[in-house]
Amino acid sequence: EVQLVESGGGLVQPGGSLRLSCAASGFTFSSYWMSWVRQAPGKGLEWVANIKQDGSEKYYVDSVKGRFTISRDNAKNSLYLQMNSLRAEDTAVYYCARVPIDYGSGKTYYMDVWGKGTTVTVSS
Amino acid sequence: SYELTQPPSVSVSPGQTASITCSGDKLGDKYACWYQQKPGQSPVLVIYQDSKRPSGIPERFSGSNSGNTATLTISGTQAMDEADYYCQAWDRDVVFGGGTKLTVL
Repeated sequence: EVQLVESGGGLVQPGGSLRLSCAASGFTFSSYWMSWVRQAPGKGLEWVANIKQDGSEKYYVDSVKGRFTISRDNAKNSLYLQMNSLRAEDTAVYYCARVPIDYGSGKTYYMDVWGKGTTVTVSS
Repeated sequence: SYELTQPPSVSVSPGQTASITCSGDKLGDKYACWYQQKPGQSPVLVIYQDSKRPSGIPERFSGSNSGNTATLTISGTQAMDEADYYCQAWDRDVVFGGGTKLTVL
C-alpha cells in the first residue's frame, strides 16, 4: 500500500524551530518529486516547497524562503522540512505529497498521494 | 504571481449536475487538476491533467480546461460528494485555488 506518514509537529514559540518528517512506503521513493503543502485552520491549501528526486532542485513559496529547508534521504525513504524562525502565520496542518513526473514532457503537474498531515502550532 | 479563482460555494440537489469553475490567466495553456477534501481528511486527487481520472475515482467526476477556465463537473451528484474542492495548476510554482465548498441539499 502506498503510504505517506508525517510526524514532528507540535507547539512551538514564535522564533522557534521544528523539523517535520515524512516516511514513505509502498513505492519507489527515489523516483518521485515530493512536496510539502500546508493548510491553516479554516483556510485553503497552500503549497510550501518541492524537491526533485535526487534533491538537486528545491523550490519554495516566497513566504518561507530563507526560513524553511526541504530535504530528503532516499536511503531512508524520508522527506523532511526544517522550519526556522517560525511565525504565528505558519500555524497549519502540514501535508507531504507525492508528485509524479510526466515522462512525456519531463514536467510535474499534480500530487497524487497525500499523507494525513501533522499539526504545527506557533504560539507563545 | 499567478492566481486561480474559485467560487466560495456551490449548491446542488442530489442527482443533479454540479459544476465548479477555476479561473486563471491563460489557464487552458497549463494542466489543471482537482482535489476533494472532506472535513478532517487529507485532500484526494479526483482529476489530473485537465480531464483524467485516477483509479478509484467514480466516472461521475469529469474535468475540462479551455481559455481561462477549468471546470470540474460532477454528474448525478451524491451526498457523499459534499466536500471542499480545490483546483491546482503549475505555473512557475504550484498554485492552488481558494477552494469551493460543495453543498448537496
